[in-house]
Amino acid sequence: GDQVEQSPSALSLHEGTGSALRCNFTTTMRAVQWFRKNSRGSLINLFYLASGTKENGRLKSAFDSKERYSTLHIRDAQLEDSGTYFCAAGTRNAPRFGAGTKLSVKP
Amino acid sequence: DPKIIQKPKYLVAVTGSEKILICEQYLGHNAMYWYRQSAKKPLEFMFSYSYQKLMDNQTASSRFQPQSSKKNHLDLQITALKPDDSATYFCASSQGTGGDTGQLYFGEGSKLTVL
Repeated sequence: GDQVEQSPSALSLHEGTGSALRCNFTTTMRAVQWFRKNSRGSLINLFYLASGTKENGRLKSAFDSKERYSTLHIRDAQLEDSGTYFCAAGTRNAPRFGAGTKLSVKP
Repeated sequence: DPKIIQKPKYLVAVTGSEKILICEQYLGHNAMYWYRQSAKKPLEFMFSYSYQKLMDNQTASSRFQPQSSKKNHLDLQITALKPDDSATYFCASSQGTGGDTGQLYFGEGSKLTVL
């Protein structure tokens, strides 16, 4: 079936720094979505991309369907960015999720 | 106001019993889904419905039965509960169906604990 491989599984950043999360796909996906799970356990929509890049504040995402990957860049990380980030993508009826990246932002 | 309502938020059940998880969406979407997240596991897709018809089922056990009485409802009945069924169950919806669902929107989840 469709596989979504997400890395890293965990990431620690100091406030003000940045990094990138990545999802690789085993097949060509039509679109990718990125979510953040907050401290209450709710899934917050970050991005939906069918191609190219999108930016929202300190977050930027890119999706390359042909090369089968997507990235989520976080810059100037803040304490409130801590949480688990998920990508999701699919080719059939419902998107499948990556295993998540647990981000910890420290002072 | 939440656009996808899941009830109950928390529930505790005994092994062998039956529970129904409720999901209603007020986004006017045509497709609805159930996902499950067990402790320390990724979100796992269970079912997808489009216009009240089952589109995809990745749940091996027939103990899990979705029920769609209206287009904006997709409840999940779980029978003969087992401790391994303990998880947070997330309902989601999207405008589109098929390979390009459009953005998925999630409810806040129903956390089930089976003793």
